[in-house]
Amino acid sequence: KNQVEQSPQSLIILEGKNCTLQCNYTVSPFSNLRWYKQDTGRGPVSLTIMTFSENTKSNGRYTATLDADTKQSSLHITASQLSDSASYICVVRSGLLTGGGNKLTFGTGTQLKVEL
Amino acid sequence: NAGVTQTPKFRILKIGQSMTLQCAQDMNHNYMYWYRQDPGMGLKLIYYSVGAGITDKGEVPNGYNVSRSTTEDFPLRLELAAPSQTSVYFCASSYGTGGSGNTIYFGEGSWLTVV
Repeated sequence: KNQVEQSPQSLIILEGKNCTLQCNYTVSPFSNLRWYKQDTGRGPVSLTIMTFSENTKSNGRYTATLDADTKQSSLHITASQLSDSASYICVVRSGLLTGGGNKLTFGTGTQLKVEL
Repeated sequence: NAGVTQTPKFRILKIGQSMTLQCAQDMNHNYMYWYRQDPGMGLKLIYYSVGAGITDKGEVPNGYNVSRSTTEDFPLRLELAAPSQTSVYFCASSYGTGGSGNTIYFGEGSWLTVV
């Protein structure tokens, strides 16, 4: 069964500090991996999309890495801001030709809180 | 562009009632999806559509129905609401199936409580 596990479940950091969120997956075959940011009471917003051949991708202060061999990804947030407080969701897309639109496996998210 | 628009934002239903969650997108996307998000769980796919007139079941379709008469609209119908359908519902759309480069855009969510 395809699974996406994220750690830690929650995290509190001080403004200005860096942090790294982890994602392990068992989705096979692999197509791509996405990180989404979900503010409280809002819908998820895409941060990065990485394919098998990409090791790292940045979006401003967000940098995602992918190790397809170990099936691990991380999201690094640099110089955190209060507005970074949100849930960060790792999503892995299966490369199966069948399944139509049902190819995404969502993690449960890491709840990040940035404090003064 | 407004992106993906969902209505209503909040709704309380009594057990056995029916309702429709509305979803519209203005990005001319072929693919549209309905997900539900339960506390502590990842999003689960209810139904999806690959184009007008074509819909298919996702992982958790029981108790729901959909239709896709136009490219823009993808309503989700709840028949005979049950407490297990208390959840947050997200509509989403994408140009393709979500392959490389195909960003999936989500609506703001609809909070549904069944009592």
